[in-house]
Amino acid sequence: DVKVTQSSRYLVKRTGEKVFLECVQDMDHENMFWYRQDPGLGLRLIYFSYDVKMKEKGDIPEGYSVSREKKERFSLILESASTNQTSMYLCATLGGGETQYFGPGTRLLVL
Amino acid sequence: GDSVTQMEGPVTLSEEAFLTINCTYTATGYPSLFWYVQYPGEGLQLLLKATKADDKGSNKGFEATYRKETTSFHLEKGSVQVSDSAVYFCALGNYGQNFVFGPGTRLSVLP
Repeated sequence: DVKVTQSSRYLVKRTGEKVFLECVQDMDHENMFWYRQDPGLGLRLIYFSYDVKMKEKGDIPEGYSVSREKKERFSLILESASTNQTSMYLCATLGGGETQYFGPGTRLLVL
Repeated sequence: GDSVTQMEGPVTLSEEAFLTINCTYTATGYPSLFWYVQYPGEGLQLLLKATKADDKGSNKGFEATYRKETTSFHLEKGSVQVSDSAVYFCALGNYGQNFVFGPGTRLSVLP
């Protein structure tokens, strides 16, 4: 089974802090994604990466950056956390047949 | 751009009732269509998918048929169980990079 893990299930941070969310996969998938999930809005793509050191902006990249130094690891960085970044963050990889595999999510609260 | 529309719910049914969750889409080209399910406290997991017109995806008693003429991919199940209580997301994927999700439909099944 594909396993996608995220570093934290719950995080509480203060406004202005730099926040790192990490995602690790064990299936050698090339494509990885970061989404945020908000009620009534579904999932919105923040960034995706199709190879090591390669990244593409999604629909809502403002206030975020990403890092992919190794194939199995894709990090999402909030440079200066703000209250409107309080959300559920989901990491995913892309397997065969365009099927995405999701991690359990990180629920971030910014105070 | 591409988009997915689905009934937001919440949908509340009694056990053994018939379920339909409507999903329609707009897209360029010939996308693949997906239903993902999110159980409480977990990430999304693939429920079923269809990759071309008239294909029927099925899994765990759920079915959906890719209807190009009506741009729809409605999810159905003949007899729901309490364990089906979850949030269901309709999604489309184009060429393995552009994935678009609907807002999700929360289903509650009462015993």
